[in-house]
Amino acid sequence: KQEVTQIPAALSVPEGENLVLNCSFTDSAIYNLQWFRQDPGKGLTSLLLIQSSQREQTSGRLNASLDKSSGRSTLYIAASQPGDSATYLCAVPYNYGQNFVFGPGTRLSVLP
Amino acid sequence: DGGITQSPKYLFRKEGQNVTLSCEQNLNHDAMYWYRQDPGQGLRLIYYSQIVNDFQKGDIAEGYSVSREKKESFPLTVTSAQKNPTAFYLCASSIMRGGTDTQYFGPGTRLTVL
Repeated sequence: KQEVTQIPAALSVPEGENLVLNCSFTDSAIYNLQWFRQDPGKGLTSLLLIQSSQREQTSGRLNASLDKSSGRSTLYIAASQPGDSATYLCAVPYNYGQNFVFGPGTRLSVLP
Repeated sequence: DGGITQSPKYLFRKEGQNVTLSCEQNLNHDAMYWYRQDPGQGLRLIYYSQIVNDFQKGDIAEGYSVSREKKESFPLTVTSAQKNPTAFYLCASSIMRGGTDTQYFGPGTRLTVL
């Protein structure tokens, strides 16, 4: 069964730093990988979706990479801002793409 | 204004009661999902539906039930058989079956057992 882990569990950085969040998955036969943001007590917002044929996707200050062979994805956040403070989760489809498994998330705090 | 709505935002249940959480979407998506989120844990799939009048159990379906009578609605009932129902419940939908597209999430319902 697919398992997803995320490192670190929590991260606190000063404003302006560049940072990297890590996501690992055990089964490399994935359709895609998604990164989500969750604010406290709220639902999830999709940030980036990388298809299995792609190696990276960019949206503004966010860049996500995917290495299927090693079972890893990274989310790079450039010039972090206090508004980036949230929990970031990654997710991959499984069961022939019918449902999804999520990582536990990385809780990010960007200090002004 | 398209999206997913969940109601209520907060729900309190006495032990032994069944409660139903509402999820509605106007995105014309085929697939809908229910997840449970506990503190410090990732989302766990309760039930999913790829098409009207059909749904499948996820990883933690025991003590829960669903229906999919309309494309836009996927209510979740938390029954008295669910021994530890206090959690944050999230509903999601996606345009295509097969997990090839982005999931869109509702704002969640926080259920507390008194």
